[in-house]
Amino acid sequence: DIQMTQSPSTLSASIGDRVTITCRASQSIRTWLAWYQQKPGKAPKLLIYKASSLESGVPSRFSGSGSGTEFTLTISSLQPDDFATYYCQQYNSFWTFGQGTEVEIK
Amino acid sequence: EVQLVESGGGLVQPGGSLRLSCAASGFTFSSYNMKWVRQAPGKGLEWISYISSSSTTMYYGDSVRGRFTISRDNAKNSLYLQMNSLRAEDTAVYYCARATGVPGGGFQYYYYMDVWGKGTTVTVSS
Repeated sequence: DIQMTQSPSTLSASIGDRVTITCRASQSIRTWLAWYQQKPGKAPKLLIYKASSLESGVPSRFSGSGSGTEFTLTISSLQPDDFATYYCQQYNSFWTFGQGTEVEIK
Repeated sequence: EVQLVESGGGLVQPGGSLRLSCAASGFTFSSYNMKWVRQAPGKGLEWISYISSSSTTMYYGDSVRGRFTISRDNAKNSLYLQMNSLRAEDTAVYYCARATGVPGGGFQYYYYMDVWGKGTTVTVSS
């Protein structure tokens, strides 16, 4: 099974900050990686697929990069609506999520 | 509007059964593979089951294999999850999700989840 590890688990940031979340796979997943945003009590929302493709309707301040085993999600300028938990997910071999990164207000 | 609406959750005793449903609308349901994902209270997301568009292929996560059965009725635009032998650790919010494929070379596609329902809560407790 492919394991996904995100870091950090919690991130404290201010409005306007540049935020980066890292996701590492236990083996190569090429670019078969998605990022999701989840707010409390809500369903996950797709942000990025194929490591760097922005889902339609998602603000351009979100971007993804990486391939193989190391990936990043970057928010270029944190907005009030961005405080949430973010999950990476591999879909190279079945489907596995990272444990999540909570972005909280500093 | 593309929409998925889950139903069927509730309180059930350990060892009991429950059937979840997911009603799809706003897209051609029969053209899409589908999945179930769950989230235990305060925990992360866990994929538990997948079904292909024509029901020819099903996959299950290790934690539910042999106890849960995924199915669909394309005529009714509906996805189902039959859950048997329920345990306390099955307590979670259950989401259905649409799987959209990206070609990966040859005839192989790789599927991520692009549309999610709001979820239905299952509580397993005596």
